[in-house]
Amino acid sequence: QVQLQESGPGLVKPSQTLSLTCTVSGGSISSGGYYWSWIRQHPGKGLEWIGYIYYSGSTYYNPSLKSRVTISVDTSKNQFSLKLSSVTAADTAVYYCARDPDSSGSFDYWGQGTLVTVSS
Amino acid sequence: DIQMTQSPSSLSASVGDRVTITCRASQSISSYLNWYQQKPGKAPKLLIYAASSLQSGVPSRFSGSGSGTDFTLTISSLQPEDFATYYCQQSYSTPTTFGQGTRLEIK
Repeated sequence: QVQLQESGPGLVKPSQTLSLTCTVSGGSISSGGYYWSWIRQHPGKGLEWIGYIYYSGSTYYNPSLKSRVTISVDTSKNQFSLKLSSVTAADTAVYYCARDPDSSGSFDYWGQGTLVTVSS
Repeated sequence: DIQMTQSPSSLSASVGDRVTITCRASQSISSYLNWYQQKPGKAPKLLIYAASSLQSGVPSRFSGSGSGTDFTLTISSLQPEDFATYYCQQSYSTPTTFGQGTRLEIK
């Protein structure tokens, strides 16, 4: 059974960089066949896709966030990570990592989510 | 970006009711439409992918239909555990986008 687990600081100061890691268990990122995404949900709101990475390191980011986002992968640790720079209060959200089987573009496994608050 | 619009935004229903939620895309997305269920404090759960394919482990009372721009999620007989918020998602083009959600409440 594949499991994803987000980790990282729950509080980030304005203008700093938000950094989160997603650890995958029950399956290997380097086996291919899946895209690994970050998705966020503002409090009480809908879902916003941030970007994805493939095991090879290929990435694609939401144009709305592209200038501030970096997603990287560490296949030796079976992890992928998110960095979001120059954060403001508008970046306060629950951040999820998720797996996307590249045949359909859906997200079949999700982490439990981690709330990141941007505040001084 | 493709805009996804769900209706209604909220819905009250009773256990045993048949419920339909609609999702409309701002342009044709073929059958690249997925449905999720989200309960408070939990991650979304995939119910339906490719418009009508039931995700493994999801009860058969859930079904999806549609293609092009108009899609529906139907729950044939509501169970107590089905009260949640439901989201559609288009995976036709990047960036993938979600509907605003439909909150299904107990009448």
